[in-house]
Amino acid sequence: GAGVSQSPSNKVTEKGKDVELRCDPISGHTALYWYRQSLGQGLEFLIYFQGNSAPDKSGLPSDRFSAERTGGSVSTLTIQRTQQEDSAVYLCASSFGEEDTQYFGPGTRLTVL
Amino acid sequence: AQSVAQPEDQVNVAEGNPLTVKCTYSVSGNPYLFWYVQYPNRGLQFLLKYITGDNLVKGSYGFEAEFNKSQTSFHLKKPSALVSDSALYFCAVRDRSTGGFKTIFGAGTRLFVKA
Repeated sequence: GAGVSQSPSNKVTEKGKDVELRCDPISGHTALYWYRQSLGQGLEFLIYFQGNSAPDKSGLPSDRFSAERTGGSVSTLTIQRTQQEDSAVYLCASSFGEEDTQYFGPGTRLTVL
Repeated sequence: AQSVAQPEDQVNVAEGNPLTVKCTYSVSGNPYLFWYVQYPNRGLQFLLKYITGDNLVKGSYGFEAEFNKSQTSFHLKKPSALVSDSALYFCAVRDRSTGGFKTIFGAGTRLFVKA
């Protein structure tokens, strides 16, 4: 595709349920990032993947959050036992190299009831 | 650890006037610096970046930013603001010395340009 895509665009779930958010990066981009944007707030770094290197998970807020990147392409962010404070827009981005611009997807708006 | 500060939550400017959106950063090594913009109901878009070389960087839509190492700043500027520039602006930094891709974003500054 032409850009980064994310699915679903919106997700409403009940507290305590698990959710999976998907990101398809731009083809050929080696780096993939996940961020969280709470209402009226800035972007909070969660995790990034770069090539075959171990991901930098330093931004994950708790062990309920995890992410995988399969085959160096698609990534899934999983949130287990969701809490109301997890409600936010989850953004994915990809880039080609260290210096390179990050291209952002449209985000997934997660609402935990 | 790297960090970014955008000291103004909101900047108001009249159309046609120059605008400045401030950003200061902290890294242990040398920085890569970025500005992104988020228009209402649209995704984040890249504006410009400083990697190396000339301290004055020119980007999209007539924006520019000046890297000032001594003041650890990377303020975004435009000589003449447009109403269509109204949006949320984010400064971001990556620490080159770590060799990693971790990018820290500021809290954002909302720019209002009044006609």
